[in-house]
Amino acid sequence: AQKITQTQPGMFVQEKEAVTLDCTYDTSDPSYGLFWYKQPSSGEMIFLIYQGSYDQQNATEGRYSLNFQKARKSANLVISASQLGDSAMYFCAMRVQGGSEKLVFGKGTKLTVNP
Amino acid sequence: GAGVSQSPSNKVTEKGKDVELRCDPISGHTALYWYRQSLGQGLEFLIYFQGNSAPDKSGLPSDRFSAERTGGSVSTLTIQRTQQEDSAVYLCASSLAPRGLNTEAFFGQGTRLTVV
Repeated sequence: AQKITQTQPGMFVQEKEAVTLDCTYDTSDPSYGLFWYKQPSSGEMIFLIYQGSYDQQNATEGRYSLNFQKARKSANLVISASQLGDSAMYFCAMRVQGGSEKLVFGKGTKLTVNP
Repeated sequence: GAGVSQSPSNKVTEKGKDVELRCDPISGHTALYWYRQSLGQGLEFLIYFQGNSAPDKSGLPSDRFSAERTGGSVSTLTIQRTQQEDSAVYLCASSLAPRGLNTEAFFGQGTRLTVV
């Protein structure tokens, strides 16, 4: 079974500072992919970044980077130079190679960026 | 349209009634997912369709919930004898066949279901 854990229900950060959103995962499958999605108050789900279990380097997409620590089974999202528009819910998700390849999500972290 | 389309966007129903929620995936996407998101909560996986394979129904919370996908395209999620705890936003997503693990899922705007 695959499981995603996000232990931070809410996080606050000052504008222009960096913030790390935690994500740990559990799977016995050696081949898996990890995703982060953003959900603003409008409700849409926006794909941010992807990390594969065999990727040698941490993924980066603009101000988003993924701190992937395979041995610790963690895939934390780092947002640099926070902007007011970054205020949203952030979800970590995983897909494993075995089984149905469904996408399983964590419970999310609500990020608030203060001016 | 180019994105995932869900209808209706809002649905209010009386307890005990049946409801049908519709999802039109992106053309060419063979994978389709349904999720439920209760107020302020995460996405709860319900069901996953991939091509002609048997769907993964492992997330359906009870036998009142069922889903179909006709012709490999449009999907309908049916909730029978609705209960107040079924009130939530129901999200549909689609993706290309996940040949690789990095296949991104695209989400619709959701259907907000309120059971009164």
